[in-house]
Amino acid sequence: AQSVTQLGSHVSVSEGALVLLRCNYSSSVPPYLFWYVQYPNQGLQLLLKYTTGATLVKGINGFEAEFKKSETSFHLTKPSAHMSDAAEYFCAVSEGYGGSQGNLIFGKGTKLSVKP
Amino acid sequence: DGGITQSPKYLFRKEGQNVTLSCEQNLNHDAMYWYRQDPGQGLRLIYYSQIVNDFQKGDIAEGYSVSREKKESFPLTVTSAQKNPTAFYLCASSMTGQGNTEAFFGQGTRLTVV
Repeated sequence: AQSVTQLGSHVSVSEGALVLLRCNYSSSVPPYLFWYVQYPNQGLQLLLKYTTGATLVKGINGFEAEFKKSETSFHLTKPSAHMSDAAEYFCAVSEGYGGSQGNLIFGKGTKLSVKP
Repeated sequence: DGGITQSPKYLFRKEGQNVTLSCEQNLNHDAMYWYRQDPGQGLRLIYYSQIVNDFQKGDIAEGYSVSREKKESFPLTVTSAQKNPTAFYLCASSMTGQGNTEAFFGQGTRLTVV
């Protein structure tokens, strides 16, 4: 069975500071990993994904994440926070190659606040 | 433009009533999903379908029903058996097959029991 743990339900940073949102996963098969962003009362938008290949993945809006198999982690980072980054972020995992289904298993989310 | 359309955006239901949430996609995706979102709980899978005329229960299917008569459509019915239906409901779709598990989401339907 797969699972996702996001450390910290709320993270607050100052504008211009580093953003680090933590995600650890559990999977019995090689995983596919995703980060999504959600603005209030809206759907989810894909920020980035890891399937195979390069372990450092770059996404939209200056975000990136690194897949670390030994640590079962997929933390999301951005060098300099912007006010528009304030939103809720979800890490998700699905079965990768050879998996029987593509259902996404989500973490509980991390709400990011950005202070001026 | 291709995408997923959920309607209505806001829905109010009286206790004891069934209501149906609409989800339509024009992305030619085989798989469709319904998630429920509650504050602090993340997204929980209600039902999913990987092909027309077939669907499977997710983690919290009790009190819900779905149909998949057309590839483009995956409506969700919240029945009177669902004891706590007030939530934000998200529909998603994806291709199937290796490397194609990225899900695209609709804008959601907020259901409130009054």
